[in-house]
Amino acid sequence: AQTVTQSQPEMSVQEAETVTLSCTYDTSESDYYLFWYKQPPSRQMILVIRQEAYKQQNATENRFSVNFQKAAKSFSLKISDSQLGDAAMYFCAYRSMTNFGNEKLTFGTGTRLTIIP
Amino acid sequence: AAGVIQSPRHLIKEKRETATLKCYPIPRHDTVYWYQQGPGQDPQFLISFYEKMQSDKGSIPDRFSAQQFSDYHSELNMSSLELGDSALYFCASSLETGARGGNTIYFGEGSWLTVV
Repeated sequence: AQTVTQSQPEMSVQEAETVTLSCTYDTSESDYYLFWYKQPPSRQMILVIRQEAYKQQNATENRFSVNFQKAAKSFSLKISDSQLGDAAMYFCAYRSMTNFGNEKLTFGTGTRLTIIP
Repeated sequence: AAGVIQSPRHLIKEKRETATLKCYPIPRHDTVYWYQQGPGQDPQFLISFYEKMQSDKGSIPDRFSAQQFSDYHSELNMSSLELGDSALYFCASSLETGARGGNTIYFGEGSWLTVV
């Protein structure tokens, strides 16, 4: 079974600065997907960014980018120009690739990000 | 755009009672997932349905059951409730046919269950 590890329970960053959240995972599969979800105080789960394992290029979504190191099984999230609205719990998640899809997400334990004004 | 709709949003039950949570996936989505998130914890996968058939099962207690109906809405039934069942229950949906795992899973806003 796959496991996802987030070793930073809490992080803080000054507004407008850059912060990197770490995630490692363990799998024997060669093809899979990785995701970062954001859970603000409202508790809704919001997709931030995703990465296909077979793509070498790191995914980017506006101020959010990832550093995907497949050999090291590492998937970190970089948030640039941090904003107050970025304050949330961030979950790293793994998803297997299948012929049909419908595989579940396996989540890490989360990193709580605080933005300091 | 339509999102995943969950009801009720909040529910208070006593121990040993029964609770039913409902989920209406995004139109045309063929897969529904249920997750349980306890206080300060990450979401734990309970069960999923693909085209109205159970497709995967996680750490779902035997006291819980779920099904997906012909209109694709899903219900999670929880019986003999225990204090430890107090949690946020998420329903999520996605369109998976041919996607091989790459499509986005969209989450509802969750149903808060408190067992007293």
